[in-house]
Amino acid sequence: DAGVIQSPRHEVTEMGQEVTLRCKPISGHDYLFWYRQTMMRGLELLIYFNNNVPIDDSGMPEDRFSAKMPNASFSTLKIQPSEPRDSAVYFCASTKTGRNQPQHFGDGTRLSIL
Amino acid sequence: DAKTTQPPSMDCAEGRAANLPCNHSTISGNEYVYWYRQIHSQGPQYIIHGLKNNETNEMASLIITEDRKSSTLILPHATLRDTAVYYCIAVGTDKLIFGTGTRLQVFP
Repeated sequence: DAGVIQSPRHEVTEMGQEVTLRCKPISGHDYLFWYRQTMMRGLELLIYFNNNVPIDDSGMPEDRFSAKMPNASFSTLKIQPSEPRDSAVYFCASTKTGRNQPQHFGDGTRLSIL
Repeated sequence: DAKTTQPPSMDCAEGRAANLPCNHSTISGNEYVYWYRQIHSQGPQYIIHGLKNNETNEMASLIITEDRKSSTLILPHATLRDTAVYYCIAVGTDKLIFGTGTRLQVFP
């Protein structure tokens, strides 16, 4: 079975540019999560969706960040405008309904803002 | 979700059992104990989870104390590929809140 697929794997861009990260969850999973990992703050939950609807976006750092899930098989995380402090590894994860269901993570997107 | 406490680092000789402790003294009755690990630069990988009973799968065993205030993840025969950061998380909602985990170093 295909796992969670994230693209691109690496992104290097200049400050002020728009960045779009993409995620394809595992088929049949109805929850999708976006995380960010930095050395200073570790793994942080940014936002999560259930059945394509955002449930909790309290972890989104500021208005420059936005996330959408237009359908069950695709989600995007956008940063506009990007800043050097946004440099991090961004992970997407998906799972089925239920606390007894583990989350499955993608390989992440390593983002560097110059 | 309850807070968990783990030692920052541990060492283990290859081929020996690695026993990783986790304290979750404020865990509530409906919270599961989940273990994930993260091998350098990869996404976190699910290992095992449990509620009350001990659990075993092909990767590891999970021992939960009777009062549920602590647990131990056991990797029965550690290999060099088990070198990673191991996270213990108490899960009562949809969200995973990652702490700083235990950095396990397996040496030859």
